[in-house]
Amino acid sequence: KAGVTQTPRYLIKTRGQQVTLSCSPISGHRSVSWYQQTPGQGLQFLFEYFSETQRNKGNFPGRFSGRQFSNSRSEMNVSTLELGDSALYLCASSLVGQQYNEQFFGPGTRLTVL
Amino acid sequence: AQSVTQLDSQVPVFEEAPVELRCNYSSSVSVYLFWYVQYPNQGLQLLLKYLSGSTLVKGINGFEAEFNKSQTSFHLRKPSVHISDTAEYFCAVSLNSGYALNFGKGTSLLVTP
Repeated sequence: KAGVTQTPRYLIKTRGQQVTLSCSPISGHRSVSWYQQTPGQGLQFLFEYFSETQRNKGNFPGRFSGRQFSNSRSEMNVSTLELGDSALYLCASSLVGQQYNEQFFGPGTRLTVL
Repeated sequence: AQSVTQLDSQVPVFEEAPVELRCNYSSSVSVYLFWYVQYPNQGLQLLLKYLSGSTLVKGINGFEAEFNKSQTSFHLRKPSVHISDTAEYFCAVSLNSGYALNFGKGTSLLVTP
């Protein structure tokens, strides 16, 4: 079974631009979560989607948004990029409906904002 | 709200020596606890988890962790490390079935010959 895939793997943008990152979950997984990883703040939860609805949300400004499609693929968008948005963005997928649902992480998209 | 503190940012250790990576959490309610490993240029991989039951949890690659409710700790241990264990290790908590993980800052384990 293929793992979680994220595209693109690397991205360079300039301040003020916007960016869209894509995540394809493991086949059959219906929940997708996004995390931001930076040297200063570490790993921080952005949001989680299930059935095309945002179910959980972290403490990030409204410039960070996401969506999920009917095939469970997810995208996250960052508008009006700032230098501090430079980070590794990780996507994780999981099954739904059990007491515990392990999250499987993709390799990440490394975003550099110049 | 829950939080996680990893007490050591870096842990150097010689090959075949034992290692303990420390993790403390704070939460007013019951949580799920996890340890993840991240190798360079890769995503996170689950090492082990504590949901309930036995406080000693065994994971992959010979790692184990002990949940201590009174000390609010979940320290990760391995009796004998290999060079290949060199990686970043993250402790995490979750309130809701494994979603919305709250991570510690990470501990960099460096194993040398």
